[in-house]
Amino acid sequence: KAGVTQTPRYLIKTRGQQVTLSCSPISGHRSVSWYQQTPGQGLQFLFEYFSETQRNKGNFPGRFSGRQFSNSRSEMNVSTLELGDSALYLCASSLVGSPQNIQYFGAGTRLSVL
Amino acid sequence: GESVGLHLPTLSVQEGDNSIINCAYSNSASDYFIWYKQESGKGPQFIIDIRSNMDKRQGQRVTVLLNKTVKHLSLQIAATQPGDSAVYFCAYPSGSRLTFGEGTQLTVNP
Repeated sequence: KAGVTQTPRYLIKTRGQQVTLSCSPISGHRSVSWYQQTPGQGLQFLFEYFSETQRNKGNFPGRFSGRQFSNSRSEMNVSTLELGDSALYLCASSLVGSPQNIQYFGAGTRLSVL
Repeated sequence: GESVGLHLPTLSVQEGDNSIINCAYSNSASDYFIWYKQESGKGPQFIIDIRSNMDKRQGQRVTVLLNKTVKHLSLQIAATQPGDSAVYFCAYPSGSRLTFGEGTQLTVNP
């Protein structure tokens, strides 16, 4: 069974631009969560989608948004990029997103904002 | 506030030794804990989990211990191998959201 797939793996953008990251969950998984990982803040929860609906949201500005499609694939978008948005963005999928469903992570998208 | 913290940011061991990675948490309502391993260039990988009605759970070469009285969690790795070199995170869920500790970098010396 294929794992969680994130594309692209690396991305370089400049301040003010916007970016879209993609995540394909494990087949059969309906919950997709996004996390931001930085050396200073560690792993922080961005949001979670289930059945095309955002079900949970972390403490990030509105520039960070996402969506989920009917096939459970998800995208996240960051608009008006800032230098501080440079990070590893991780996507995780689980069966239905209940607390005791294991979340499986992709390899991440490394975003560099110049 | 809620936090999941690690006692040691780095741990260096000799190949073949046992490793112990510690984690303190402050949310006494947490009833489920997870350990993840993150190798360089990869996403976190699930290692083992434990529910709050258990004190100990064993996997292949790994054991997790939970002490609810002092809100402490530990991951023990037996006969540590070079392939165990990674950052280890403890985490707990709040609904679908995982809260992660800061991580411990484990280095295994040959």
